[in-house]
Amino acid sequence: AQSVTQLGSHVSVSEGALVLLRCNYSSSVPPYLFWYVQYPNQGLQLLLKYTSAATLVKGINDFEAEFKKSETSFHLTKPSAHMSDAAEYFCAVSEPGGGADGLTFGKGTHLIIQP
Amino acid sequence: DTGVSQDPRHKITKRGQNVTFRCDPISEHNRLYWYRQTLGQGPEFLTYFQNEAQLEKSRLLSDRFSAERPKGSFSTLEIQRTEQGDSAMYLCASTPDWSSYEQYFGPGTRLTVT
Repeated sequence: AQSVTQLGSHVSVSEGALVLLRCNYSSSVPPYLFWYVQYPNQGLQLLLKYTSAATLVKGINDFEAEFKKSETSFHLTKPSAHMSDAAEYFCAVSEPGGGADGLTFGKGTHLIIQP
Repeated sequence: DTGVSQDPRHKITKRGQNVTFRCDPISEHNRLYWYRQTLGQGPEFLTYFQNEAQLEKSRLLSDRFSAERPKGSFSTLEIQRTEQGDSAMYLCASTPDWSSYEQYFGPGTRLTVT
């Protein structure tokens, strides 16, 4: 069974500072990995995805993530935080090819941006 | 492309009542997923459809829950005899075809059972 662990339910950074959100996964086979963002009372928007191509993945709004198989990690980073980045971020995993059981999500990390 | 839509956005019901939610996927998306998200948690998979066929159901989907996707277009999720524990955000997502892995999410229906 797959699982996702997001370290830190809340992360606070200053505007302009580096954003680092951690995600570790457990999967019996190399999975596909995703980061989604959720703003209050809205659905989830895909930030970026890893699907067994390049290990460094670039997404929207200057976010990127690096797949490290040896560490079973897929941490999300952004060089310079903006106030508009304040939201809930979810890491998710699926089996290669989409997965019959849908996505398995972590519990989420609430990103707070300090002015 | 108008995106995935869900109706209603909010629903307040009394315990024991039945409720039904609707999801309209992106046009020509063959796969449709339902998730449930409780406060402070990530979404949890409930069930999915490939066209009109319901192919997988999570153990979270008790007998009080039923989902349909007639004609492979919109889908409905019905909860019978609602309980307070059913209070959650119900999210719908769709993907273009069997090989696609990017799920497009709707805004969700927030259910409150009093």
